[in-house]
Amino acid sequence: DAGVTQSPTHLIKTRGQHVTLRCSPISGHKSVSWYQQVLGQGPQFIFQYYEKEERGRGNFPDRFSARQFPNYSSELNVNALLLGDSALYLCASSLLETQYFGPGTRLLVL
Amino acid sequence: AQSVAQPEDQVNVAEGNPLTVKCTYSVSGNPYLFWYVQYPNRGLQFLLKYITGDNLVKGSYGFEAEFNKSQTSFHLKKPSALVSDSALYFCAVLNTGFQKLVFGTGTRLLVSP
Repeated sequence: DAGVTQSPTHLIKTRGQHVTLRCSPISGHKSVSWYQQVLGQGPQFIFQYYEKEERGRGNFPDRFSARQFPNYSSELNVNALLLGDSALYLCASSLLETQYFGPGTRLLVL
Repeated sequence: AQSVAQPEDQVNVAEGNPLTVKCTYSVSGNPYLFWYVQYPNRGLQFLLKYITGDNLVKGSYGFEAEFNKSQTSFHLKKPSALVSDSALYFCAVLNTGFQKLVFGTGTRLLVSP
């Protein structure tokens, strides 16, 4: 079975631009969560979606938004990029309490 | 607020020796606890979890963890370390309110040949 997939794997943007990251969950999983992992730190929760509805939001500015599609895939959008947005963005899907993570998208903002 | 703490930034162990990576938690109610491993430039891999039941939980790659309610700890263990176990290990607690994982700061495990 395929695991969680994310695209792209790497991305370089400049300050002020916007970015869209994509995630496909494990087949049958209806919940998708997004995390930001800055170098040297543990992942920080950004959003959780279940059945296309936002169920939780972490302490991130409104520049961060997300959505979930009918096939349960998800997009994370970040507007007006800042240097501090450089990080590994992780997507996780879950059926019950265990979250399974994708390989992540590494975003570098110059 | 729910939180976990990993008191060691790095743990060094020789191959073949037992290893322990420490984690303590602070939660209200019953904790849902997890261990994940991260290899360089990779995502997180699920190792094991404690929800309820036996205090000794067995997981992937020979790892196990012991839940201790009185000491609020959930230490990760392996009887015999391998060089390939060298990685970054994260302890996490699930905020069951809306299913978000709260991670510790991570512990780097270095297994020497």
